[in-house]
Amino acid sequence: AQKVTQAQTEISVVEKEDVTLDCVYETRDTTYYLFWYKQPPSGELVFLIRRNSFDEQNEISGRYSWNFQKSTSSFNFTITASQVVDSAVYFCALTNNFNKFYFGSGTKLNVKP
Amino acid sequence: GAVVSQHPSRVICKSGTSVKIECRSLDFQATTMFWYRQFPKQSLMLMATSNEGSKATYEQGVEKDKFLINHASLTLSTLTVTSAHPEDSSFYICSAISAGGGVQITQYFGPGTRLTVL
Repeated sequence: AQKVTQAQTEISVVEKEDVTLDCVYETRDTTYYLFWYKQPPSGELVFLIRRNSFDEQNEISGRYSWNFQKSTSSFNFTITASQVVDSAVYFCALTNNFNKFYFGSGTKLNVKP
Repeated sequence: GAVVSQHPSRVICKSGTSVKIECRSLDFQATTMFWYRQFPKQSLMLMATSNEGSKATYEQGVEKDKFLINHASLTLSTLTVTSAHPEDSSFYICSAISAGGGVQITQYFGPGTRLTVL
């Protein structure tokens, strides 16, 4: 069975602080894909990153970085020097064949000025 | 990046009427589109998977006669909420799978449609 757990329901930080959003997944498949999406108050989900199971390289994109560790089945997302515009709900998602996606419950990030 | 549009963005209707929501992939062909429903402060709930040229696959508990899905072309899928009732009020989101042309397969979302049934 596929499952994604985002244990942090809500996180509040002050601007310029670093923050890490946790994502733990479960799957029996050896090939799978992980995603992070951002959902700002407007409601539209914005694609942030996709990671294949066979590529464990960590990735950095500006202030965003992702730490993929198969040994712990985690795909954590770190925002460095957070900004108010980072305030949103962030979803982690998993799929093995693009026929169905499994979403975590989301983490609401509040960045205060 | 790939763009998915959704129309209308917001609709208010009377109980008993039907509402059609369109989902279009603007710059890529999408053989598969998904329809989700999201309640306030909750995650996305998959309603159905729509494949071009075939019948949609509905998730357990989703009434296929109430939520009609048509995927007539590789760039358009529609969701019709028939005989809408207040409990159908929700945020409906479509997504499309992009593939081919050297682009990594990824799910892109439309901006969502907020349905309010009075």
